[in-house]
Amino acid sequence: DGGITQSPKYLFRKEGQNVTLSCEQNLNHDAMYWYRQDPGQGLRLIYYSQIVNDFQKGDIAEGYSVSREKKESFPLTVTSAQKNPTAFYLCASSIIPGPYGYTFGSGTRLTVV
Amino acid sequence: QKEVEQNSGPLSVPEGAIASLNCTYSDRGSQSFFWYRQYSGKSPELIMFIYSNGDKEDGRFTAQLNKASQYVSLLIRDSQPSDSATYLCAVLRDAGNMLTFGGGTRLMVKP
Repeated sequence: DGGITQSPKYLFRKEGQNVTLSCEQNLNHDAMYWYRQDPGQGLRLIYYSQIVNDFQKGDIAEGYSVSREKKESFPLTVTSAQKNPTAFYLCASSIIPGPYGYTFGSGTRLTVV
Repeated sequence: QKEVEQNSGPLSVPEGAIASLNCTYSDRGSQSFFWYRQYSGKSPELIMFIYSNGDKEDGRFTAQLNKASQYVSLLIRDSQPSDSATYLCAVLRDAGNMLTFGGGTRLMVKP
């Protein structure tokens, strides 16, 4: 079945560590997105990519980095520069150009310990 | 002013009633609008999208769009406890399929 797979489901990070969240899709979608969701809040865009080897900053890119070496994969690294990384991270993909809804992965819950 | 605004709720309705969820947006040029349902701890799932003024119905769900007043709403008829979730409104930013999400409205359907 086609879909988006995020891993791990839960992730714990120590202060000062970089961590990488995985996102893989087999929907043949060109566009992929990373969102952050804080408790009781909506989704805020971190990074997005519409083509391999190209990506753009979203509204809250500071402290994060991404790569898009393959169409299927869009990993997100949360660096030590991100001061408040505890959140629920969602990866999504879509057909472009729109308008089409996004397909979301199941999310990764990151906690700083 | 936020680009997409929703009342955070919670909106509480009795089982069997109609739940009405509202969303306003600031960009008058917005063309397409999406409603997502998100259960606690889960990822959002697409319920409906609408891009023409008026109503669009899908089962118990009706999306309503009024571009002149810049609001979009979602009606849920015969509300069930399983409809209890957060409903996110999203607006298409541009032709590149970028969506801007509202903060969501939490709906509680009481048996």
